[in-house]
Amino acid sequence: QKEVEQDPGPLSVPEGAIVSLNCTYSNSAFQYFMWYRQYSRKGPELLMYTYSSGNKEDGRFTAQVDKSSKYISLFIRDSQPSDSATYLCAQRPSGNTGKLIFGQGTTLQVKP
Amino acid sequence: DTAVSQTPKYLVTQMGNDKSIKCEQNLGHDTMYWYKQDSKKFLKIMFSYNNKELIINETVPNRFSPKSPDKAHLNLHINSLELGDSAVYFCASSRPGTGSYEQYFGPGTRLTVT
Repeated sequence: QKEVEQDPGPLSVPEGAIVSLNCTYSNSAFQYFMWYRQYSRKGPELLMYTYSSGNKEDGRFTAQVDKSSKYISLFIRDSQPSDSATYLCAQRPSGNTGKLIFGQGTTLQVKP
Repeated sequence: DTAVSQTPKYLVTQMGNDKSIKCEQNLGHDTMYWYKQDSKKFLKIMFSYNNKELIINETVPNRFSPKSPDKAHLNLHINSLELGDSAVYFCASSRPGTGSYEQYFGPGTRLTVT
């Protein structure tokens, strides 16, 4: 079992839809929870991070963490074609080595 | 202003060859990383250096040898390339400590071994 799991998709939605991307993890030691976005043929870039259970909102994006069930979600409101990318869930365990554990990523396509 | 740059962007080579990938960051970060992304987009850390000191060394064949001549540069040398080494290799950098959740990735080097 991988430490961080995501459904690879692809997920195809019409423009304007609400998108829900999900991630589960197995290691209770994870402290930081991140979503990275990766456009085709580019490096990943940090989209959002949180270190506690609950919701965090940033514009059209909301990250939700439920540590009790080890479940993480990313919601995208009013999705745009420019949101088409692969979304990677990542966790960082305790300690300061900077090691990030990534999920496989979910590929999202938003159709105009 | 490129924050994290890698050379080359594409690398096509034959099995058994030795190749190097170079990475440079101009963000003033102390920590640099090498990741491998396979064909299923699974991104996995290989190595990390903090101020030229190796701090993460995952289970990677010893054909892979990282080198950090200074904290702005991190190179990856691969000996005796195998078909399974075909992947995209990403370099990344970050501030140390609690800032390391935010890592800045380079554009990647797409390695194809034939």
